[in-house]
Formats: sequence, structure tokens, C-alpha cells
Amino acid sequence: AQSVTQLDSHVSVSEGTPVLLRCNYSSSYSPSLFWYVQHPNKGLQLLLKYTSAATLVKGINGFEAEFKKSETSFHLTKPSAHMSDAAEYFCVVSDRDSNTGKLIFGQGTTLQVKP
Amino acid sequence: KAGVTQTPRYLIKTRGQQVTLSCSPISGHRSVSWYQQTPGQGLQFLFEYFSETQRNKGNFPGRFSGRQFSNSRSEMNVSTLELGDSALYLCASRSTGAETQYFGPGTRLLVL
Repeated sequence: AQSVTQLDSHVSVSEGTPVLLRCNYSSSYSPSLFWYVQHPNKGLQLLLKYTSAATLVKGINGFEAEFKKSETSFHLTKPSAHMSDAAEYFCVVSDRDSNTGKLIFGQGTTLQVKP
Repeated sequence: KAGVTQTPRYLIKTRGQQVTLSCSPISGHRSVSWYQQTPGQGLQFLFEYFSETQRNKGNFPGRFSGRQFSNSRSEMNVSTLELGDSALYLCASRSTGAETQYFGPGTRLLVL
């Protein structure tokens, strides 16, 4: 079975400082991993995805994530936080056991950005 | 291309009623998935449809059902609503063979 664990339910940073949102995964296969962002009262927007190509993945709005197989991690980072980054972030793995489009979500990390 | 659209955006129902939610995928996408989002359970997979066939179903009671039409639009239905069905229902579409899913804005259902 596949799963993801987001290690922090809430992260608070000051504007202009780095962001680190942590995610560990469990998978029997080479996983496909995603980060999505959800702003209040909105749907989910894809930030970036890892599908076994380059281990360092660049996404939108300056975010990037590094796939580390030895640590089973896929942490999301951004060098400098902006107020507009305040949102909920989800680490997601594609459920290859089902061989369908089922996605398995972490519990989410709320990012607070202080002025 | 237009994104995934969902209607209605907000809905208020009372216990025991039924509700139908609609989702139009991105043009050319034949796969549509539905997810329920609640504060307590997070995001949970409901079901996926591809070419009018249900391919996978999550761990939800039979009160939750869906269908897909020949134009790939999908509907989900919840019968005999319970208070616990209050949630944000998200629809996502993907192109054939791709794993990346694109989400709509969701339908927020409140059951009183």
C-alpha cells in the first residue's frame, strides 16, 4: 500500500524567509509524487510533480521539491516566502496499486506567512 | 483550454434529501475522479470514471454514486443525506494515460 505523511500540520514563516514543508512517502513501486496547493475556498492547484525523471523538480511560483529515495522524502521548498503563499499544501502519491487515477493525499500543512 | 468546472458551487440541503453534483472535465480528458474533503478526514477518493465506466471506488457507502456521460461530463449523487456528508466535493480530470489530475473549484455542500 502507498501512503504519504506530512510531518507538520502547521508551519509559520516570516515574509522573505525560506519555506520548508516536509513529506515522507511509502510505496512499493517507484512513486509518482505531487504537491498541490489550496487557497481558502478554492480548489487544488498543481504546484509540481515527480515522475522518476530528475530528482529535483521545479514548480510554479518559485517552489521546488527534491525526491530522496534513501530517505523516502519529497520535501517542498521555496527560498523566499511571499504573503500570497499562505495556503494549505498537500503532498500526494498516485496509487499505482489500483492502476487507476486514484490519488492518496497527506493530511495537509497550513502555511502561515507573517509580514 | 478551459479548466475543470463544477456546478453548483454551493448547496444547502436537509437530512434525508438527495443531491446531484456536476463536473465538466478539461476538453479532451476522458477520466474524471471525485474526492470528498472534510476537516476531520481530509481528502478522500470517492470514485473514478473513464469512458462512462466506473473504474475504481473508494470506501464510501452505497448512498454515494456517480455516472459519466458520452461527452465525459460526470455527475455524482448522494442519497439520503446525513449531517456528516457536509463537505467540499472536488472533481478532477486527467488525460488518458497521464497521472496528473487537474481539479475544479469544488462544490461545497452543507447538510442541515
